[in-house]
Amino acid sequence: EDQVTQSPEALRLQEGESSSLNCSYTVSGLRGLFWYRQDPGKGPEFLFTLYSAGEEKEKERLKATLTKKESFLHITAPKPEDSATYLCAVQALGGSQGNLIFGKGTKLSVKP
Amino acid sequence: DADVTQTPRNRITKTGKRIMLECSQTKGHDRMYWYRQDPGLGLRLIYYSFDVKDINKGEISDGYSVSRQAQAKFSLSLESAIPNQTALYFCATAGEFDEQYFGPGTRLTVT
Repeated sequence: EDQVTQSPEALRLQEGESSSLNCSYTVSGLRGLFWYRQDPGKGPEFLFTLYSAGEEKEKERLKATLTKKESFLHITAPKPEDSATYLCAVQALGGSQGNLIFGKGTKLSVKP
Repeated sequence: DADVTQTPRNRITKTGKRIMLECSQTKGHDRMYWYRQDPGLGLRLIYYSFDVKDINKGEISDGYSVSRQAQAKFSLSLESAIPNQTALYFCATAGEFDEQYFGPGTRLTVT
């Protein structure tokens, strides 16, 4: 069964304290891995897509990396405005086109 | 203006009532999705549509139905609402590279 597990469930950081969020996945074949940011009471906002092991994408203080079994979202020198829930989703080869399997998310809090 | 809009944003209804949640998009995408989000369970797919004549059940379609009135409009109905359908509902569209764009959500409470 295709599955996505995110850890930790919650992460508290001080402003400027870099860290990483983990997304482990089990799929028969990976078509793509997606990262989203979700603010309270709002819809998820698309951040990155990764397609193959070794690939990296960056946006401001965020960098996403991908291996054959997991992805990391590295947050460098975070600011309070980076506080949000970060969702990971995978798209499996052979699955219905475009359908994503979501993890439960990591809730990040950055204190000033 | 937002690319994906949902109405209503909040709704309180009683058990047994029929309600409809509406979604409109201006992104010109063919593929549209309905999800529900519950604390501790994450996003789960209810229905999806690849075009006006192609509608498919997702992981948790029981108790729900949908209508794709046009490329830009995709509605979700609860035929007879029950309390465990209390959740946050999201509509989404999929772009060329399968990235999904979400609406702002509808918070539904069934009493």
